[in-house]
Amino acid sequence: GIQVEQSPPDLILQEGANSTLRCNFSDSVNNLQWFHQNPWGQLINLFYIPSGTKQNGRLSATTVATERYSLLYISSSQTTDSGVYFCAVGMGGSEKLVFGKGTKLTVNP
Amino acid sequence: GAGVSQSPSNKVTEKGKDVELRCDPISGHTALYWYRQSLGQGLEFLIYFQGNSAPDKSGLPSDRFSAERTGGSVSTLTIQRTQQEDSAVYLCASRRRLTQYFGPGTRLTVL
Repeated sequence: GIQVEQSPPDLILQEGANSTLRCNFSDSVNNLQWFHQNPWGQLINLFYIPSGTKQNGRLSATTVATERYSLLYISSSQTTDSGVYFCAVGMGGSEKLVFGKGTKLTVNP
Repeated sequence: GAGVSQSPSNKVTEKGKDVELRCDPISGHTALYWYRQSLGQGLEFLIYFQGNSAPDKSGLPSDRFSAERTGGSVSTLTIQRTQQEDSAVYLCASRRRLTQYFGPGTRLTVL
């Protein structure tokens, strides 16, 4: 099946720093989503981005489908950005999402 | 409006017992998903419902696992004869258009 690899596995930042999280996938996809899981376990959808670039406030994401990777940018990080960021992909007509193992982000004050 | 709700939030059971986990999706969302999150396996897809039908059950790990959805709304995930490896957080999500909205999960512990 499709493989999804996220890097780095762990990231520690000082408040105000910027960061880039990467998601590589092993096959063509028609669905790619980024999620944030907060320290209490709640998963929040950040972006649906199978291709192109989107921005939402301090967060932006870019997917280069032909090269099979996606990037999530966090600017001016805040302590509330802490948690685990997951990339998830889907293929063909399947509704099944395959998740990466996540990047654990810690933002220190 | 109300989000996806799941009950119970925590469930502790003994090996061999059956458990039922409930998911109430956001009103009007026709697509519903069950996932499992464990330390060893990460986040895994279990089953997808469109309305009351389950066109994709490919993630159910064994025939001890089953799920149903009634009235295009509430879904129940049933695990029979629970095993210790079933211990995990079971997450439900519903979707409208492109975005999946997740519930808070049910933490299942099998002793």
